[in-house]
Amino acid sequence: EVQLVESGGGLVQPGGSLRLSCAVSGLTFSLADLSWVRQAPGKGLEWVAAINGGGDETHYQDSVKGRFTISRDNSKNTLYLQLKSLRDEDSALYYCATHTWASWGRGTLVTVSS
Amino acid sequence: EIVLTQSPATLSLSPGERATLSCRASQSLTRYLAWYQQRPGQAPRLLIDDASNRAAGIPARFSGSGSGTDFTLTISGLEPADFAVYYCQQRDSWPLTFGGGTKVEIK
Repeated sequence: EVQLVESGGGLVQPGGSLRLSCAVSGLTFSLADLSWVRQAPGKGLEWVAAINGGGDETHYQDSVKGRFTISRDNSKNTLYLQLKSLRDEDSALYYCATHTWASWGRGTLVTVSS
Repeated sequence: EIVLTQSPATLSLSPGERATLSCRASQSLTRYLAWYQQRPGQAPRLLIDDASNRAAGIPARFSGSGSGTDFTLTISGLEPADFAVYYCQQRDSWPLTFGGGTKVEIK
């Protein structure tokens, strides 16, 4: 069974930084493209970023380009999302999902507020 | 960016009824259109991939159809657990995008 567990969320001030992690098990991690998707409270789903299995190809939502960085450590079966220059509108539940999109974590909550 | 427009925003139906949800894309898609169900407090659940292929373990009452710019999710015979929010997603091109969602509520 594929499992994804996100962590690293919390309360941060505008302009601050956080690093989210997603620990993945139950699949061949180095072959799996992965994505981050977020959902603001009471709102819809928004894809944020994706990375291929080798970690050498990344894609980002325009609103986070230059502020967020997706990366992975294939030796630790872990996906990361570095969040910088955070804004109020980045407040959301952040999910990680596998390349099949059939497996998602439960999310980690990021709240940006002064 | 491909914009996905879902309609209606809310669908009020009774258990046992048929639900028809629409997703329209701003440009033609090859086939990478997916549908998800999200219940309150839960992560999205993949229902349909490649416009019409049911994901593993998804009941046959869920079906997807369409091509080009117009896609449909049909739920034949709503069960209590089906009252939820449904999203479409395109994976044809970057950035990936989701529709705004359709809430299926109990009438």
